[in-house]
Amino acid sequence: ETGVTQTPRHLVMGMTNKKSLKCEQHLGHNAMYWYKQSAKKPLELMFVYNFKEQTENNSVPSRFSPECPNSSHLFLHLHTLQPEDSALYLCASSQEGNYNEQFFGPGTRLTVL
Amino acid sequence: QQPVQSPQAVILREGEDAVINCSSSKALYSVHWYRQKHGEAPVFLMILLKGGEQKGHEKISASFNEKKQQSSLYLTASQLSYSGTYFCGTVGTATGGSYIPTFGRGTSLIVHP
Repeated sequence: ETGVTQTPRHLVMGMTNKKSLKCEQHLGHNAMYWYKQSAKKPLELMFVYNFKEQTENNSVPSRFSPECPNSSHLFLHLHTLQPEDSALYLCASSQEGNYNEQFFGPGTRLTVL
Repeated sequence: QQPVQSPQAVILREGEDAVINCSSSKALYSVHWYRQKHGEAPVFLMILLKGGEQKGHEKISASFNEKKQQSSLYLTASQLSYSGTYFCGTVGTATGGSYIPTFGRGTSLIVHP
């Protein structure tokens, strides 16, 4: 247990569905992140929130829409995804600062049919 | 620009040593090392900062040569529990204040009895 939880752990959706991934951190951190992890590819940073404000968006398609209502919760809203979006989506949190040790959640395994 | 890790995979017997390398084409401020076991979240191992320091964590240690823009992770007397994928993440000195690491593709380490 890293103090970061993600739900659901597995998700199968069609290309026309709308779904949301949820992340919650219990560590009192002020920065939260979404990463995409595909097979044989490096971890890809998608979005960063510091104190609820989005500070980075790494050219992510608009079919992915993040939401950070407070510093403990982070959502990733999904709509009209493509099969190539199938991957493990990892949430992480950290105490923003120079060292930036990140604590990762277990991830949501997403399959887009 | 992502760092390059080598080797891509290592297979060991218990008790043997291994070295995993991480190289960057840019000047580095810090190097982060994580381990991810199959089906689990990446777990932070250590951060090394500019200044060429060496850090240790049980029988896992790492060095950072900022002149060569390289870091090496040393696993001595490997145990079965060391199996997993090791990721390095690098933070460049010219990132405009962002301390979020860019991750390599990972090195898969398998330790056999």
